[in-house]
Amino acid sequence: KAGVTQTPRYLIKTRGQQVTLSCSPISGHRSVSWYQQTPGQGLQFLFEYFSETQRNKGNFPGRFSGRQFSNSRSEMNVSTLELGDSALYLCASRIIGADYGYTFGSGTRLTVV
Amino acid sequence: EDQVTQSPEALRLQEGESSSLNCSYTVSGLRGLFWYRQDPGKGPEFLFTLYSAGEEKEKERLKATLTKKESFLHITAPKPEDSATYLCAVMGSGFGNEKLTFGTGTRLTIIP
Repeated sequence: KAGVTQTPRYLIKTRGQQVTLSCSPISGHRSVSWYQQTPGQGLQFLFEYFSETQRNKGNFPGRFSGRQFSNSRSEMNVSTLELGDSALYLCASRIIGADYGYTFGSGTRLTVV
Repeated sequence: EDQVTQSPEALRLQEGESSSLNCSYTVSGLRGLFWYRQDPGKGPEFLFTLYSAGEEKEKERLKATLTKKESFLHITAPKPEDSATYLCAVMGSGFGNEKLTFGTGTRLTIIP
């Protein structure tokens, strides 16, 4: 059974640019969440999508946005990149209510220079 | 706001030396407490979900326990392959609170 797939694995962008990250969930998982992981702040919740609708949102500025497609694949977009956006961005999928919680992908390492 | 504090930040053990990791939490109605393991360059890997005080779960050399204020991850006779960062997270109840709030983790190193 394929896991959560995130592309690309690594990205280097310049301050002020925008970036789009992609996540394909486990087959049958309709919920997709995004987390930002940094050494100082740890893992922080960005947002969750279910059936193409944003279900929950964390405390991030509006530069961070996302969407989900009818096949449950999700994209996350960050506009006007700042140096502080450098982080590991993790996508997780789940079956809502399942005991095993979230299954995470390996992440996209974004470096802003 | 939900909060999770993990201690210690880092722990070095000799192979076979048992110990415990602590996760203290405050949450407005606990829906679940999760333990994950994260290896360098990878995403967190699910270990356990605990739902109510007094609950315990085991997997190989790991045992997780839960009280109303904290959870412990007990590691018995660890091996070098148990070296990783162990993350604790809570999910609160209530509308709009269905998300994981993570602690900053305990970095565990097992020395052969």
